[in-house]
Amino acid sequence: GQQLNQSPQSMFIQEGEDVSMNCTSSSIFNTWLWYKQDPGEGPVLLIALYKAGELTSNGRLTAQFGITRKDSFLNISASIPSDVGIYFCAGPMWRGAQKLVFGQGTRLTINP
Amino acid sequence: DTGVSQNPRHKITKRGQNVTFRCDPISEHNRLYWYRQTLGQGPEFLTYFQNEAQLEKSRLLSDRFSAERPKGSFSTLEIQRTEQGDSAMYLCASSSIQGAGLVNTGELFFGEGSRLTVL
Repeated sequence: GQQLNQSPQSMFIQEGEDVSMNCTSSSIFNTWLWYKQDPGEGPVLLIALYKAGELTSNGRLTAQFGITRKDSFLNISASIPSDVGIYFCAGPMWRGAQKLVFGQGTRLTINP
Repeated sequence: DTGVSQNPRHKITKRGQNVTFRCDPISEHNRLYWYRQTLGQGPEFLTYFQNEAQLEKSRLLSDRFSAERPKGSFSTLEIQRTEQGDSAMYLCASSSIQGAGLVNTGELFFGEGSRLTVL
C-alpha cells in the first residue's frame, strides 16, 4: 500500500534555529496535511495543502506541496521550546478517500 | 469546549478483559474516525462512520473490535478479550463535508486519545 517516508526521523537543534523536514511518497498525493503531536496528546492539524506547488504559511511554519505531488516540505523558522514534539505528514490514500495514511513522524527536540 | 472529546484518557486492564472507549466529535461534524497509534509510529486507520453508518473497516480491526455510532453523534469502540498487542493509543477524529460541492477536505480533527495498557 501507499507509504509516506519522513526525513529526518529525529532532530536535535538549538533554540532559535530554523528547521526543515520532508515527506516523500512513491505515489501521487492530491492533499498533504501536516500535524504536530505533543506527548500523550492527539495530533493537531498545522497546515493543509491542496495544489501542486502550493506554499502555505501558518505563523512561523511554512509548508510546500511538491511539484511532482510525491513530496511535501515543512519549515519552522526561529524555533522556540514549544515547537518540541513529533511532526507527521499525512494524506488521503486516494482522491476522495476517507482514510489518511501517516508518515512515521519527525521528532523535534530543542536544546535551550 | 468544541473539540473532539475522548474518555477515558487512560485505561489499564488485564489480558482477557473487555474495554470500551467513547468519543464525542465536534458537534457539526458528520464523519467520525477511529485510529490506532503504537509507540514510535504514526496513526493507523481503523474505521469510519458517516452519520450512524459504518462505511469502512480496516483489516486491523479484528473480530474482537467493534465500533458503533448509534445516533450519529458519539461513538464507542469496544475491544473484547484484550491481548497485550492491543496496547496502544486509540485516537478518535471527526471531519465535515464542506461547500456546495460537498467536498471532503481530508482535514481531520483529533481528540486527545485514549491510552490502553493491557497487562
